[in-house]
Amino acid sequence: SQQGEEDPQALSIQEGENATMNCSYKTSINNLQWYRQNSGRGLVHLILIRSNEREKHSGRLRVTLDTSKKSSSLLITASRAADTASYFCARRSGNTPLVFGKGTRLSVIA
Amino acid sequence: EAGVVQSPRYKIIEKKQPVAFWCNPISGHNTLYWYLQNLGQGPELLIRYENEEAVDDSQLPKDRFSAERLKGVDSTLKIQPAELGDSAVYLCASSLGGQEETQYFGPGTRLLVL
Repeated sequence: SQQGEEDPQALSIQEGENATMNCSYKTSINNLQWYRQNSGRGLVHLILIRSNEREKHSGRLRVTLDTSKKSSSLLITASRAADTASYFCARRSGNTPLVFGKGTRLSVIA
Repeated sequence: EAGVVQSPRYKIIEKKQPVAFWCNPISGHNTLYWYLQNLGQGPELLIRYENEEAVDDSQLPKDRFSAERLKGVDSTLKIQPAELGDSAVYLCASSLGGQEETQYFGPGTRLLVL
């Protein structure tokens, strides 16, 4: 079964706006990763944040991690229509495999 | 560099028929994964290989599912017999391994069981 949840399940915004997606989990983690999946395609790795890190940036992406609240957020700034996709967080705990959440479906309207 | 290759991309079969999926990982990636993804859900791990050894297959329904990774490169996932509930996308991924692994996914095989 999958741990935690992404929130919201679906998000619709206008092009140029920022999109924020959240991920909560239940057990301690080694790292947390965000992936993107375009319709009908495989997942693409976006960013990895370690448990001792609080924030990471990659282009228009900003990921934060709050281990005390067991949550992470992904911010996409200045969104584009091409950002339309599903976004998944995946948690790594100990030696267990990555566990993916159910994802947030983002729609960016031009 | 070629990515993870999967075939076929789509497969439609009748229930009780067998079906097989093939995956070619990125060259040099020792770790290979098979995931099941239902509509509106995230990927769920079926089996993980380190080279040719299956190191995590606890989620693989062994009564009907089988997998192999001969020579530690390509892998096949088989379902026999298929059931209606097996309709889903089957994703293959590979990685160099380790705690900070980045997994590289193939495009998946979309299976429809009628």
